[in-house]
Amino acid sequence: GAGVSQSPSNKVTEKGKDVELRCDPISGHTALYWYRQSLGQGLEFLIYFQGNSAPDKSGLPSDRFSAERTGGSVSTLTIQRTQQEDSAVYLCASSSGLRTLNEQFFGPGTRLTVL
Amino acid sequence: AQSVTQLGSHVSVSEGALVLLRCNYSSSVPPYLFWYVQYPNQGLQLLLKYTTGATLVKGINGFEAEFKKSETSFHLTKPSAHMSDAAEYFCAVSDQNAGNMLTFGGGTRLMVKP
Repeated sequence: GAGVSQSPSNKVTEKGKDVELRCDPISGHTALYWYRQSLGQGLEFLIYFQGNSAPDKSGLPSDRFSAERTGGSVSTLTIQRTQQEDSAVYLCASSSGLRTLNEQFFGPGTRLTVL
Repeated sequence: AQSVTQLGSHVSVSEGALVLLRCNYSSSVPPYLFWYVQYPNQGLQLLLKYTTGATLVKGINGFEAEFKKSETSFHLTKPSAHMSDAAEYFCAVSDQNAGNMLTFGGGTRLMVKP
């Protein structure tokens, strides 16, 4: 596709369940970012992938959160044992990742609701 | 560490009036600055960005912003508001030393009255 896509668009889960959120970046983009948008915390950086380098996980809020990027393309954000405070919109962005600054293109997000 | 402050979580203007959304930042390195817009139930769309060079930056939809280093500001303006400008606006600074990840301000919801 032409832009960043994310699935599902909405996810409702029960407290304690695991969830997986998927991001398909723009083809050819080597950098991929996950952010979280919540009422209490605004927009927060979670994790960053650049090519084959080790990801920058400095924004992950707890060890229940993890992410992987397979084949340098699709990324999955996994939240284990979900809590109500995990309810938020999870946004994925990609960029061309060149040394000069490039725009991050955002997907529409996945709205996660933990009951 | 970087931070961004947006003064005013809600701004209301009349159609045709000047739009001014304020953004102040702190950064230990020369900043790259951005304004993004988010329409309801949509992702973030880049309005404009400042990297180097000219401090007055023009973006899409008639918006512009001026980088003022002495004031550590990057305020967003538009001479004449349109109803379609109603949205949430986010100012962000990029960390060049950390993969260009973005640090966002709290956002400003712009309401445009007819």
